[in-house]
Amino acid sequence: DAGVIQSPRHEVTEMGQEVTLRCKPISGHDYLFWYRQTMMRGLELLIYFNNNVPIDDSGMPEDRFSAKMPNASFSTLKIQPSEPRDSAVYFCASSLDGYEQYFGPGTRLTVT
Amino acid sequence: GDSVTQMEGPVTLSEEAFLTINCTYTATGYPSLFWYVQYPGEGLQLLLKATKADDKGSNKGFEATYRKETTSFHLEKGSVQVSDSAVYFCALSKYQGGKLIFGQGTELSVKP
Repeated sequence: DAGVIQSPRHEVTEMGQEVTLRCKPISGHDYLFWYRQTMMRGLELLIYFNNNVPIDDSGMPEDRFSAKMPNASFSTLKIQPSEPRDSAVYFCASSLDGYEQYFGPGTRLTVT
Repeated sequence: GDSVTQMEGPVTLSEEAFLTINCTYTATGYPSLFWYVQYPGEGLQLLLKATKADDKGSNKGFEATYRKETTSFHLEKGSVQVSDSAVYFCALSKYQGGKLIFGQGTELSVKP
């Protein structure tokens, strides 16, 4: 299996621009998670889906962040407008059983 | 609330030394416990897990035992290699499909 695929791997954008991060989970996995990793706050869960339905979005920092999962093989995390404090590594993870999570390689976002 | 605390890093060892990375948790009920490893520039990989008290998880020479009486899940390896250099994260999950709560991570550096 190819594992969790994320794109782009690196994104540099200017403040105020829209950013879209993409994730393809492992085929057959019913759970999908979006995390953010920063030096200051460590790893934080932003949102997760089960069977394409958002279950817990309490970690989404504010209305500028939104996530969708239109089908079982694709999810997006959008930031609009982006701000410098959004600079971080964003990870997508998927899970078959809801316990063991398999992480993608991450997207390093830099907002200038 | 639920939380995970790891020993502070960085930990620097010589090759073939014995490794212990301490992890303690605070949680109600009976969480599942995990160790994840993150190599430079990569996403997190599940290293091992334990789902109930006294379970021992093991993989690639690493071991950890779920100790409910001390609420601990310390990671050990008898003889580390340079290739083990990475950041190690302890995590818990309260229920199926629930979020992973991570410790802050411990950086391990193994010198030849």
